Amino acid sequence: EPEVTQTPSHQVTQMGQEVILRCVPISNHLYFYWYRQILGQKVEFLVSFYNNEISEKSEIFDDQFSVERPDGSNFTLKIRSTKLEDSAMYFCASSPGEGLAGHTDTQYFGPGTRLTVL
Amino acid sequence: AQSVTQPDIHITVSEGASLELRCNYSYGATPYLFWYVQSPGQGLQLLLKYFSGDTLVQGIKGFEAEFKRSQSSFNLRKPSVHWSDAAEYFCAVGRPSSARQLTFGSGTQLTVLP
Repeated sequence: EPEVTQTPSHQVTQMGQEVILRCVPISNHLYFYWYRQILGQKVEFLVSFYNNEISEKSEIFDDQFSVERPDGSNFTLKIRSTKLEDSAMYFCASSPGEGLAGHTDTQYFGPGTRLTVL
Repeated sequence: AQSVTQPDIHITVSEGASLELRCNYSYGATPYLFWYVQSPGQGLQLLLKYFSGDTLVQGIKGFEAEFKRSQSSFNLRKPSVHWSDAAEYFCAVGRPSSARQLTFGSGTQLTVLP
């Protein structure tokens, strides 16, 4: 069964450094997402991406964050200057884009990247 | 704004016992509803989903959930729990008339006793 993969599984960085988290969505999916889960808190939506542009983003997704689909398979989340509060598990997800335009469809999640900012 | 409440932070059941995990949502219309499971060190695996139609939905691993509009609930059930079901369970809501962000509940940690 196809699945979303993420690398690395754990990333440790110093405060102020840039990090890039990588994801390979399911190959025929059209929508891509990033969520994060701070330890002990809820899973929170960050951003959705479709047709090579951001389709929606949350308040969390400020100018320090960016997403990119650099080639036909990868989907990346970049944090330009990490803060201590960016420490979290970051989940990538993808969905087929089935059904009516703008409507939710089923999102499939990767195993996550645990980011630790020191 | 929509919200999801999972009232039980932690539930402990014996293996073979039945299970019900509660989920309540707040939204002006009927949302799309999901249950995900997260095992230690694993990602979020979809158990089941409700978009429309039959309010009792079947999922993987013997789980089912029932959408009750009058109670704004989407409780997850399993008739007989296995030790491998020990994990954290998340209810999530998507908005049919908007974009694709999911709103998650805070999760219920399930412990299964032998």
